Amino acid sequence: GAVVSQHPSWVICKSGTSVKIECRSLDFQATTMFWYRQFPKQSLMLMATSNEGSKATYEQGVEKDKFLINHASLTLSTLTVTSAHPEDSSFYICSASSRPSPNEKLFFGSGTQLSVL
Amino acid sequence: QKEVEQNSGPLSVPEGAIASLNCTYSDRVSQSFFWYRQYSGKSPELIMSIYSNGDKEDGRFTAQLNKASQYVSLLIRDSQPSDSATYLCAVSGSARQLTFGSGTQLTVLP
Repeated sequence: GAVVSQHPSWVICKSGTSVKIECRSLDFQATTMFWYRQFPKQSLMLMATSNEGSKATYEQGVEKDKFLINHASLTLSTLTVTSAHPEDSSFYICSASSRPSPNEKLFFGSGTQLSVL
Repeated sequence: QKEVEQNSGPLSVPEGAIASLNCTYSDRVSQSFFWYRQYSGKSPELIMSIYSNGDKEDGRFTAQLNKASQYVSLLIRDSQPSDSATYLCAVSGSARQLTFGSGTQLTVLP
């Protein structure tokens, strides 16, 4: 199946710093990428949807100025957590779709465990 | 009411038994339904997808969909300890975005 590479796989940072997470589709062009957040023992919550070359669409309650998403090419999307705080500690997962609509199967990155001290 | 509901478990079955996982959803116009398996600290892995009413079998896995009842299930036959994981039900609804249930934790006892 299609491969989505995500890194780093884990990061520990001090409160107030910014962290960038990269998501790459390795063998297909991802017209749409999704960013999810998962807290322990909870399900995946969609944070935002990004289409290549356009601004991301954020879910209700997700601060767009805090979680900056860039989808500058068909193979790369980045999520930057700005001024991270301990409550931002979570498992962040990207996924990618090669179709305009996300109706078909999504391919997930391996996830990034963020710990903010 | 949650959009996608699952029994959080934990569900324990002996090795070799059938594990039955259930999921209900609220959006009647949902079109695509998926089961993902997630091991602790890992990202979800697609197990099954189903789009029309009835059963769909793939190896030891069978997905069942009943749109009238807004119900989708996953059966795992001959359960193995390696099947122990959290199983996430996901539904693609009218907004054409994937919504996940909270997951059911399955433990297969050797």
